[in-house]
Amino acid sequence: AQTVTQSQPEMSVQEAETVTLSCTYDTSESDYYLFWYKQPPSRQMILVIRQEAYKQQNATENRFSVNFQKAAKSFSLKISDSQLGDAAMYFCAYSSTGANSKLTFGKGITLSVRP
Amino acid sequence: DAGITQSPRHKVTETGTPVTLRCHQTENHRYMYWYRQDPGHGLRLIHYSYGVKDTDKGEVSDGYSVSRSKTEDFLLTLESATSSQTSVYFCAISEGTSGNNEQFFGPGTRLTVL
Repeated sequence: AQTVTQSQPEMSVQEAETVTLSCTYDTSESDYYLFWYKQPPSRQMILVIRQEAYKQQNATENRFSVNFQKAAKSFSLKISDSQLGDAAMYFCAYSSTGANSKLTFGKGITLSVRP
Repeated sequence: DAGITQSPRHKVTETGTPVTLRCHQTENHRYMYWYRQDPGHGLRLIHYSYGVKDTDKGEVSDGYSVSRSKTEDFLLTLESATSSQTSVYFCAISEGTSGNNEQFFGPGTRLTVL
């Protein structure tokens, strides 16, 4: 079974600075998808970014980018120019590519942004 | 925003009582999911549905049952609620399988079992 590990329960960043959130996963599959979800205090789950394992290029969405290291099974999220609205819980998630595949989530990391 | 609603949004109940949570979507998506969120555990899949009357178990299905009689509705039932089922429950939908299609989440239901 696939597992997703987020070893840091909390992190803090100064507004306008850059922060990197770590995630590792374990799988025997060669093709899969990885995701970062954001959950602000409103509890709404929001997809931040998605990476397809067979793509070499790291995904980027505005101030959010990933560092995908397939051999190391590492998938970190970098947030540049941090804003107060980035304060939230962030979840890393894994999905296989087969029919009826499901998301496996990490335990999450709480990010606080200092003004 | 994807059209997903959950009802009720909050519920307090007593141990041993039955509880049903409802997820309703207006997107006509094939897949629907129920998760629970607990501190230190992230989101864990309870049950999912891949079509009307087609459901399957997830990681933490014990004590829960589901039904899907219409595309738009996915019900989660706790036959006899226990304190360990105190949690925040999320419904999600997707057009296709998780990898190829984004899962859209509902607003969540906070359930407290006393």
